[in-house]
Amino acid sequence: DAGVIQSPRHEVTEMGQEVTLRCKPISGHDYLFWYRQTMMRGLELLIYFNNNVPIDDSGMPEDRFSAKMPNASFSTLKIQPSEPRDSAVYFCASTLINNYGYTFGSGTRLTVV
Amino acid sequence: AQKITQTQPGMFVQEKEAVTLDCTYDTSDPSYGLFWYKQPSSGEMIFLIYQGSYDQQNATEGRYSLNFQKARKSANLVISASQLGDSAMYFCAMRHPGAGSYQLTFGKGTKLSVIP
Repeated sequence: DAGVIQSPRHEVTEMGQEVTLRCKPISGHDYLFWYRQTMMRGLELLIYFNNNVPIDDSGMPEDRFSAKMPNASFSTLKIQPSEPRDSAVYFCASTLINNYGYTFGSGTRLTVV
Repeated sequence: AQKITQTQPGMFVQEKEAVTLDCTYDTSDPSYGLFWYKQPSSGEMIFLIYQGSYDQQNATEGRYSLNFQKARKSANLVISASQLGDSAMYFCAMRHPGAGSYQLTFGKGTKLSVIP
């Protein structure tokens, strides 16, 4: 298995632009998580899905952030409009219920200038 | 609320020596799981070891072992025979499936530096 695949690895964008981060979970995993990592706040959960359904989005900072999971093999995290304070590393992770192995993608380093 | 505390922002260890990274947690739920992840400078998150709250024995995975003291709510990671490649950030995390919560809550991390 190729693991959790995130794209792009790096993204530099100008303030006000729309940014879309992508994630392909491990096949068969039924939970998908989006995390954000910053120096100040550490690793924060943004949202997670179970069987493509959003379960907890209480970590989404504001309405500028949205996430979708149209099918079991693909999820997106969109920021519109982006702001410099959104600069962070965004991780996607997946797991299978009853399996304690949470597998993380390599992350997307987002820089908003 | 779930809380994970890692009190050591940074630690140094001599190569080939053992090191213990501290982690305490706060929960009132009897069912929970504890995890340790390694994040090298390249940025990926690597799963190291898992301990369930009902597990009778401390978890071990190669050079990694988890010193689980339930009454003290601590889950310290022990790395034996440190190697230069162990230099990284280490994160302790917890989940609460008993509360219907499957996300991992992370501590702030400990930066480990292995000295040759």
